[in-house]
Amino acid sequence: NAGVTQTPKFRVLKTGQSMTLLCAQDMNHEYMYWYRQDPGMGLRLIHYSVGEGTTAKGEVPDGYNVSRLKKQNFLLGLESAAPSQTSVYFCASSRQNTEAFFGQGTRLTVV
Amino acid sequence: GESVGLHLPTLSVQEGDNSIINCAYSNSASDYFIWYKQESGKGPQFIIDIRSNMDKRQGQRVTVLLNKTVKHLSLQIAATQPGDSAVYFCAEKGNTGGFKTIFGAGTRLFVKA
Repeated sequence: NAGVTQTPKFRVLKTGQSMTLLCAQDMNHEYMYWYRQDPGMGLRLIHYSVGEGTTAKGEVPDGYNVSRLKKQNFLLGLESAAPSQTSVYFCASSRQNTEAFFGQGTRLTVV
Repeated sequence: GESVGLHLPTLSVQEGDNSIINCAYSNSASDYFIWYKQESGKGPQFIIDIRSNMDKRQGQRVTVLLNKTVKHLSLQIAATQPGDSAVYFCAEKGNTGGFKTIFGAGTRLFVKA
């Protein structure tokens, strides 16, 4: 049982480049989330989804887009990467009102 | 806006002692609280949770206390071990905003051998 899987694990981008982070969960969870974590800080919610085909903004959505075309997948896109988006990105999934399960993270550096 | 925060950013304890990590929350609509442990280079891992209709819940070596009157949450770790060294986050969920989980800043726990 893989749980929540994120790809890639590491990536270096140049300013202005685009990329997509993939999150996949095999627990049939309705809810999925993307967080970013900066050094010495907690997790900040970027976007989340309460079901297939639906997405909503979190605390820090600017510069990111998401899509949830399939229940098991939640994609996070950066259209034009900026150095301020250097961070560790975590995907998570949950049922409606239970704990979230997290992936191992994607370490992104924008130079 | 609503926030979840922690009183102490760093806590250092002797192996075998008990640890207490505190958390304050401000959203009175939150009805579900979770403690996560995050080891270096890994994603947060669920430790224990508590719903607002309870004030105490025990797990294996861990206890969570909820004081809704002062909006305070604490995590107690009994007989702290070196493997407990990590960053601990409290988080809250409510029936507003799509049940998204809001995290506090975290407390780093150091266990001295």
